[in-house]
Amino acid sequence: QQQVKQSPQSLIVQKGGISIINCAYENTAFDYFPWYQQFPGKGPALLIAIRPDVSEKKEGRFTISFNKSAKQFSLHIMDSQPGDSATYFCAATPSGNTPLVFGKGTRLSVIA
Amino acid sequence: NAGVTQTPKFQVLKTGQSMTLQCAQDMNHNSMYWYRQDPGMGLRLIYYSASEGTTDKGEVPNGYNVSRLNKREFSLRLESAAPSQTSVYFCASNGRGGLYTQYFGPGTRLTVL
Repeated sequence: QQQVKQSPQSLIVQKGGISIINCAYENTAFDYFPWYQQFPGKGPALLIAIRPDVSEKKEGRFTISFNKSAKQFSLHIMDSQPGDSATYFCAATPSGNTPLVFGKGTRLSVIA
Repeated sequence: NAGVTQTPKFQVLKTGQSMTLQCAQDMNHNSMYWYRQDPGMGLRLIYYSASEGTTDKGEVPNGYNVSRLNKREFSLRLESAAPSQTSVYFCASNGRGGLYTQYFGPGTRLTVL
């Protein structure tokens, strides 16, 4: 069974702090690693994604760090804001038409 | 451009009843997916359709059937609902190649009593 293991399950961060969510995978055929953000009552939406040919990708306050040798990738949210409070899912897939394998999610709460 | 739409938004069933969850996308995507989301379990794939006319089982297909009616529509049927199928169901789609972005619908919250 292909797996993506995500930690922590929940995270509380002070406003302005850094939120870090980690994921580890097993299948070396994975070549696309997206992060999805889900607000209560809504469907998940793509936040940021990375391919294994780069070690880091940054979009605004959101950064993915990728360690191919360790088979790990992480999401960093800089200057975390209350509006970032949501559930975050990491995922992976070996190709565009193969279903994504999702982590179990991290519920982030940013408190003022 | 509505993206991915799902109906109904909410549904309550009694054990043994049947129902069909509807999903449609207007992005001309080839692939469509059905997931269920349960607390602490993340998003689990029920069935998917890589292209019109094909369907494949995902991680948790038991108790469900699907139909890829055409390129736009992908329905999920519960023939005899059970309390264990109480969940939030999401439909998603993505196009061939490119950035592989999956677009999700707003979800259907199903309760089976």
